[in-house]
Amino acid sequence: KAGVTQTPRYLIKTRGQQVTLSCSPISGHRSVSWYQQTPGQGLQFLFEYFSETQRNKGNFPGRFSGRQFSNSRSEMNVSTLELGDSALYLCASSLYIENSYEQYFGPGTRLTVT
Amino acid sequence: AQKVTQAQTEISVVEKEDVTLDCVYETRDTTYYLFWYKQPPSGELVFLIRRNSFDEQNEISGRYSWNFQKSTSSFNFTITASQVVDSAVYFCALSVQGGDYKLSFGAGTTVTVRA
Repeated sequence: KAGVTQTPRYLIKTRGQQVTLSCSPISGHRSVSWYQQTPGQGLQFLFEYFSETQRNKGNFPGRFSGRQFSNSRSEMNVSTLELGDSALYLCASSLYIENSYEQYFGPGTRLTVT
Repeated sequence: AQKVTQAQTEISVVEKEDVTLDCVYETRDTTYYLFWYKQPPSGELVFLIRRNSFDEQNEISGRYSWNFQKSTSSFNFTITASQVVDSAVYFCALSVQGGDYKLSFGAGTTVTVRA
């Protein structure tokens, strides 16, 4: 089974621009979550989508948004980029099994804002 | 709110030594799930183990073992006979039932295994 894929792997943008990141979950997984990882704040939850609906959202400004398509693929968008948005963005797909669940992460997209 | 604390920032060992990583968690929920992930320099978070709050049985999987104690809210992880390839950042994470797959991560512990 193919793992979680994220594109692009690396991205360089300038302040004020917007960016769209893509995530394809493991086949059969309907939940996709996004996390931001920075040296200062660590790993922080952005949002989670299930069957095209956002079910949970972290404490991030409205510049961060996302969506999920009918094939479970997800995109996240960051508008009006700031230097502080430079981070590793990780996507995870989840499968609920045995009254618990597992989350598998993709390789991440490293975003640099200059 | 959930909180995960990994007090150890860095651990350095010589190959073949055992490494134990500490994790303390806080939650008011009675049903929750605990995870350990490994993040090598490539950046991808690799799932290692998951434990449910209603199952305190400790197990061994290859060179990995864990000690889950609800009485002290701890979920420690041990790598036996460490190898250079074990060098990575290790994260403990917590999710609660109904948390819609949201993981709360600890700050991570950097493990360096020297040959």
